[in-house]
Amino acid sequence: ILNVEQSPQSLHVQEGDSTNFTCSFPSSNFYALHWYRWETAKSPEALFVMTLNGDEKKKGRISATLNTKEGYSYLYIKGSQPEDSATYLCAPYDRDDKIIFGKGTRLHILP
Amino acid sequence: DAGVIQSPRHEVTEMGQEVTLRCKPISGHDYLFWYRQTMMRGLELLIYFNNNVPIDDSGMPEDRFSAKMPNASFSTLKIQPSEPRDSAVYFCASSFRLKNEKLFFGSGTQLSVL
Repeated sequence: ILNVEQSPQSLHVQEGDSTNFTCSFPSSNFYALHWYRWETAKSPEALFVMTLNGDEKKKGRISATLNTKEGYSYLYIKGSQPEDSATYLCAPYDRDDKIIFGKGTRLHILP
Repeated sequence: DAGVIQSPRHEVTEMGQEVTLRCKPISGHDYLFWYRQTMMRGLELLIYFNNNVPIDDSGMPEDRFSAKMPNASFSTLKIQPSEPRDSAVYFCASSFRLKNEKLFFGSGTQLSVL
C-alpha cells in the first residue's frame, strides 16, 4: 500500500451536527482497514477493524463503512459532541503485511 | 493489564548522545510495533516484531537506529548517535494478531535532541 489519503485534513463542526470524512486507499492487495481516534496529548485508540467489502461497523454515535472494490471507507459521527474532537486516522493493511497510517482528519467540535 | 508501557515519557538530550527508548507490550500480544510521529510524515512504522523476531525493519531511517526485543515483555529502540532531526514522538504498540486485531498504543516518548 503506497498511498493513503484522508479528507478533509481538518473539519470544524457545530455541536449537535453530524459529519463524515473519507479514507482512500489502493484497492488492489487490500486485506483490512483500521480506524483510530487520537485525542490531543493521548495515544491513538482503535475504533474499528474492517475486512469485508460492504462492512459496516458501529460504536455509539460513530459508524464506518468499507468499499474494498473502489478503495474507500467513510467514518460517520452522528450528533457531534465536544468529546469527539480528535484526529481520526485510518490505516489499511495489504496482503504483504504492510500498514500505512493516513495523515488523519482533524475534527474540531464548536460549542 | 496496565496496557502498553513506554519509558521515559520525555527525553531531552544533546546531539551525538545515545538515546534508548523502552517498551513493555501487553502480556500475550505476539506483535510489537515501533512508530514515529512527526508533523511532516505523520505516524510512520519503523519496525515490527513477531514473537520477539524482527519481521520488517524497512522503516528504520538509517543505521543510527536499532531495535531489539530480547523477550516477550520488553523491547528497546536505540538511536546512536542522536541528531536534532530525530526529535519526534515515538510510540510503541502491540497486538494479538497482525491484521485483524487492533493495535494498542503506549503513551509515547517525546524525544527532543538539541
